[in-house]
Amino acid sequence: QQQVKQSPQSLIVQKGGISIINCAYENTAFDYFPWYQQFPGKGPALLIAIRPDVSEKKEGRFTISFNKSAKQFSLHIMDSQPGDSATYFCAARGASGSARQLTFGSGTQLTVLP
Amino acid sequence: GAGVSQSPSNKVTEKGKDVELRCDPISGHTALYWYRQSLGQGLEFLIYFQGNSAPDKSGLPSDRFSAERTGGSVSTLTIQRTQQEDSAVYLCASSLWSSGRNEQFFGPGTRLTVL
Repeated sequence: QQQVKQSPQSLIVQKGGISIINCAYENTAFDYFPWYQQFPGKGPALLIAIRPDVSEKKEGRFTISFNKSAKQFSLHIMDSQPGDSATYFCAARGASGSARQLTFGSGTQLTVLP
Repeated sequence: GAGVSQSPSNKVTEKGKDVELRCDPISGHTALYWYRQSLGQGLEFLIYFQGNSAPDKSGLPSDRFSAERTGGSVSTLTIQRTQQEDSAVYLCASSLWSSGRNEQFFGPGTRLTVL
């Protein structure tokens, strides 16, 4: 059973545009929702993360929007740049006392055209 | 400081052979995770070590997979009698248990190809 569903699978955006990637989760015990960025041949790197007690978190051009009632969260990349071209993964982790591993979405391959 | 390192970076083996993949976590990190990333897929959890506690092996796909962590630091993932479906990138991550964010830092991975 896939616990974190991510869409779209691939996304092409023009330079300067807004990239939006969506994720939905099923397990209400999740309490930490990070986004990872992965370049080819590299391991994923943490980009930005949010906890369910806030509805939005912004760091530079990257914003997470979180809707607890809908069990959905999304990543918005403002003013997208060609250097943002990478694969993005949403993830979720269980609450304290439960398993600490991350459950990942299937990934979105973002291409930003110059 | 040094990040998470993994070796080898690439491994090609024949079906039926055993392989060992190594992970060196960030110094001082008490938690260590192994994930598997198949082509075009997300990361699949395999196993998790935390300090001296018994590892969480709930993600291992079969009894051909095992892992150990020596001295609370270096970890080895062993796959016995490899099958073609084992071909994937195996990623290791470490984190500070005490960190509220529990950020996991990933290594570059080992790309395993089973012929």
